[in-house]
Formats: sequence, C-alpha cells, structure tokens
Amino acid sequence: SQQGEEDPQALSIQEGENATMNCSYKTSINNLQWYRQNSGRGLVHLILIRSNEREKHSGRLRVTLDTSKKSSSLLITASRAADTASYFCATDESKGYGNKLVFGAGTILRVKS
Amino acid sequence: DAGVTQSPTHLIKTRGQQVTLRCSPKSGHDTVSWYQQALGQGPQFIFQYYEEEERQRGNFPDRFSGHQFPNYSSELNVNALLLGDSALYLCASSLGQRKRKEQFFGPGTRLTVL
Repeated sequence: SQQGEEDPQALSIQEGENATMNCSYKTSINNLQWYRQNSGRGLVHLILIRSNEREKHSGRLRVTLDTSKKSSSLLITASRAADTASYFCATDESKGYGNKLVFGAGTILRVKS
Repeated sequence: DAGVTQSPTHLIKTRGQQVTLRCSPKSGHDTVSWYQQALGQGPQFIFQYYEEEERQRGNFPDRFSGHQFPNYSSELNVNALLLGDSALYLCASSLGQRKRKEQFFGPGTRLTVL
C-alpha cells in the first residue's frame, strides 16, 4: 500500500516559474524524502527532512514538513526544462531496525521552454 | 565513488520462468533494499537486507526471495513469473539500520514477462 499521496498528479509550467508539489501521509514518520525520476529510470535523491524539522533548503529546492497535518511540500524555484521529471515523496515510518520507504504515486512535472 | 549498480538493464522472460537480478551497493553502504515499480506508480518495498539477513519485508509473496553476500551486494530472485511481475525493479543502498539515512537508488532492471 502507498502512504504518501502527491498532489497534483501532473503539473505543467513555463521555464522560470516556480513549481509546488504536495505530499500527504497517514502515520507517524522518522523522516520524509523527496526523489526525482527521469523517464522511468532510477530515482535521484533530492532532500531528506526529519520529523523534528520544519523547513529545509537545497539549491533551488525548498521542502517544508507539517507533522500536525501530516503533509509536506516541495518547491522548485526558477524551474528549468531539465527539471521535467516525476517527483515522489517517500516516508520512513520504520520502528526499530530497518528503514523501509513508502512512496506515493508521484507528480509528473513538465517544464516548457 | 561508484554509485549503486544493477544488472541486467533489461530482461525478457516468459510466464513460469525464474529470474535473478543483481545489485551492488554504493561504496561504504551495508544495507540493500529492493523495490518494484509498476508503470505509472510509485515504487513498492519488497524487502531489505542487512548483515546478510532479511530484516524487513513488504507485502510480496514467497516467490520473491533474496540474498545478501559478505561484500554487501545482493540478489533478487523471482520464481514462477506472472505477467503482473512485469515492472522496473529498483535496488537502493543505505548505511546502517538505525541511522535513518537517505537511500540511494540504482538505474533499475526493466523486467518484461510475456
């Protein structure tokens, strides 16, 4: 079963605009991670935010986490055509040993040049 | 620094056959996880290996089995293949079990079952 649910399912924007993707989950988590996937290939890790963190930045990426609402958002600023990809949130809800990730269905982002 | 590698890249099998997929983790990583990604969906956790033992398992039947070797590399075996097993199989590596670190993914193996 998939815990994270991304919103929207698809997003189309012009180059230079900002893109915001949202993720909701159901149970308590250790951390939440965002990944990018190009054309059905391997996932590229973008950013990890821990449950005791509220906001994190990495280059043009900004991630927020609201554990009271069980939601997270990924903001990509000044988007580029190369940002076109599928974006997934994944939650680590493991107790004790192991760090299994539970993924959402993803948001397909298309950046038009 | 080599990332996660997987082999083969693509594989075509027929129903009922068996398949073995291979994964080498990122240098310095000791934990390997396997995920199945059907077309248009997010990855689904199959199982995770640490210290050559299966530590966690997702909702997959016993037809899915694995192994981890002393050098931390891993294999995923699927027996009695079904059409529904057609998917991208992703391997991910990470460091340690309790450190809650990010997982790094390989390029995947695309399995087609005819």
